[in-house]
Amino acid sequence: AQKITQTQPGMFVQEKEAVTLDCTYDTSDQSYGLFWYKQPSSGEMIFLIYQGSYDEQNATEGRYSLNFQKARKSANLVISASQLGDSAMYFCAMREVTTGRRALTFGSGTRLQVQP
Amino acid sequence: GAGVSQSPSNKVTEKGKDVELRCDPISGHTALYWYRQSLGQGLEFLIYFQGNSAPDKSGLPSDRFSAERTGGSVSTLTIQRTQQEDSAVYLCASSGEGPGPRREQYFGPGTRLTVT
Repeated sequence: AQKITQTQPGMFVQEKEAVTLDCTYDTSDQSYGLFWYKQPSSGEMIFLIYQGSYDEQNATEGRYSLNFQKARKSANLVISASQLGDSAMYFCAMREVTTGRRALTFGSGTRLQVQP
Repeated sequence: GAGVSQSPSNKVTEKGKDVELRCDPISGHTALYWYRQSLGQGLEFLIYFQGNSAPDKSGLPSDRFSAERTGGSVSTLTIQRTQQEDSAVYLCASSGEGPGPRREQYFGPGTRLTVT
């Protein structure tokens, strides 16, 4: 069963506007972490933001924030004031604790294109 | 400080040949991961090292794939008798100690493997 679902293969946004990238997940673990990574065309994976399952507040890192809705099992990434340099692939990932599996499970990604 | 490095950055090989891919993690990071990313796809976990041990090899696709880590540092992923379906970008990541959910992984630039 797919554990991380990103339903938007591609998204467009105008420069300076905000955009939300969707991510839903499936786990029976009570303790888990959710991550977002950015992959520009150069190929490197860049860590953006983290949300723990027990964190009461939504995570924020600069222009990135995570809209975490635990009951709905969603962890959407919000990018405010989009910039041309935000054009990239974005991956949502999860790490479960109770299973002891240390690896990240990734979604299929969303390609974001920021238009001037 | 130095990030995760990988070599070579590109490798073209003939079907049936063996290849070795190298990863140098961030200094002090005890956990090391190998992932594979096929064209336009998300990341697929291959193997995880804690120190020199590999407690999770569940993602290795066949017995043609093996990996080792020495001195708790450098890791080598070996693919024997390469097949065309092995063509992908092979990404290495490292993270700090601990089983908790927040252990963001820092990725190298990847090795693009092309099997002709």
